[in-house]
Amino acid sequence: GNSVTQMEGPVTLSEEAFLTINCTYTATGYPSLFWYVQYPGEGLQLLLKATKADDKGSNKGFEATYRKETTSFHLEKGSVQVSDSAVYFCALSAPDFGNEKLTFGTGTRLTIIP
Amino acid sequence: SAVISQKPSRDICQRGTSLTIQCQVDSQVTMMFWYRQQPGQSLTLIATANQGSEATYESGFVIDKFPISRPNLTFSTLTVSNMSPEDSSIYLCSAKTGTEAFFGQGTRLTVV
Repeated sequence: GNSVTQMEGPVTLSEEAFLTINCTYTATGYPSLFWYVQYPGEGLQLLLKATKADDKGSNKGFEATYRKETTSFHLEKGSVQVSDSAVYFCALSAPDFGNEKLTFGTGTRLTIIP
Repeated sequence: SAVISQKPSRDICQRGTSLTIQCQVDSQVTMMFWYRQQPGQSLTLIATANQGSEATYESGFVIDKFPISRPNLTFSTLTVSNMSPEDSSIYLCSAKTGTEAFFGQGTRLTVV
């Protein structure tokens, strides 16, 4: 079945540091890939997505590139801020053959210190 | 896009009782989903709720424990029945439009 393996946390960085959160996946066919963010006390929000190989999703300074050859979708940001402190989830959506479920990784808690 | 309102936002319940969680979407959607997020863990899909048909449950979840209603294209409810402390969790409603899924704020349930 489909699965998402995500870098374990927690991750603590200083403000303005470079961020990478690794995500690899296993899926049949060509899934869509997502990063969701969950700020303290809130629900999940879509951060960015990519729907086909070599697509780059970007939002709020975050980027991730859909790498089919390495089955990866690593999240990066060049300079993190305190406001980026949250839990980040990598997820995939199976191809549209009647299966539209999202499969989530375990989540990575990110804390940015001033 | 879709805005999802979920209520209650939190509740503390006695074991053996039931709680019904409501989920309202601001637009018509075909597919709605219910997830559980146990403390410090990722999201686990409970079931998929399609309008006009019975919900489809994932392995480990059964209708008697988690009955779901989907009376129209903008509303769904999840009931957590005969609760035990192990049901303490965050329950999240989700709706899908196109390739994007939107989530409610979640219901934080504590069973004592």
